[in-house]
Amino acid sequence: LAKTTQPISMDSYEGQEVNITCSHNNIATNDYITWYQQFPSQGPRFIIQGYKTKVTNEVASLFIPADRKSSTLSLPRVSLSDTAVYYCLVGEGYSSASKIIFGSGTRLSIRP
Amino acid sequence: DAGVTQSPTHLIKTRGQQVTLRCSPKSGHDTVSWYQQALGQGPQFIFQYYEEEERQRGNFPDRFSGHQFPNYSSELNVNALLLGDSALYLCASSVSTGREYEQYFGPGTRLTVT
Repeated sequence: LAKTTQPISMDSYEGQEVNITCSHNNIATNDYITWYQQFPSQGPRFIIQGYKTKVTNEVASLFIPADRKSSTLSLPRVSLSDTAVYYCLVGEGYSSASKIIFGSGTRLSIRP
Repeated sequence: DAGVTQSPTHLIKTRGQQVTLRCSPKSGHDTVSWYQQALGQGPQFIFQYYEEEERQRGNFPDRFSGHQFPNYSSELNVNALLLGDSALYLCASSVSTGREYEQYFGPGTRLTVT
């Protein structure tokens, strides 16, 4: 399982775009990149998953460069409710026997 | 459609006791995974159940055991509780034929060991 490195914490303001970058130098060919969001005292929530280039859904965008050694989660026009911990995970997205390994995550704080 | 449910919400136990936590997966899901999350840390994988068998296991001692029932619900049992077992215990469900990383988590059970 590829190890991931992401900032411990980030601060931003309401209405701004927030980009959280994750490094995964040892990513394997079959690995997908997945991001989860977790609010205090709640279970993590799946945000987005991608393999290469760009993926966008109603919540966020995920940018993955050609070498796939890093990825960036982009949250457009954040609000106070986006204050949470964000986890970057790398592994076989389609393996029925894979297990999810969480790191320490990035604690995002949004200010008014 | 109910999501993943867990019971109880909170639990207080004494060192040496045993505890059982319960999880009902999201409708249509057949795989259940359990995680332990200490305060300020990311969730740590305990084990995963599919077809009533333990399929994957993390680095946890045998004091941690589980079970999956024919209706896909699951239990996590912890014996001989230690103070260090105090944590939020999360259950996640997924579809075995889907993307394994797209797991749905329950709200968790907060276990306090005194």
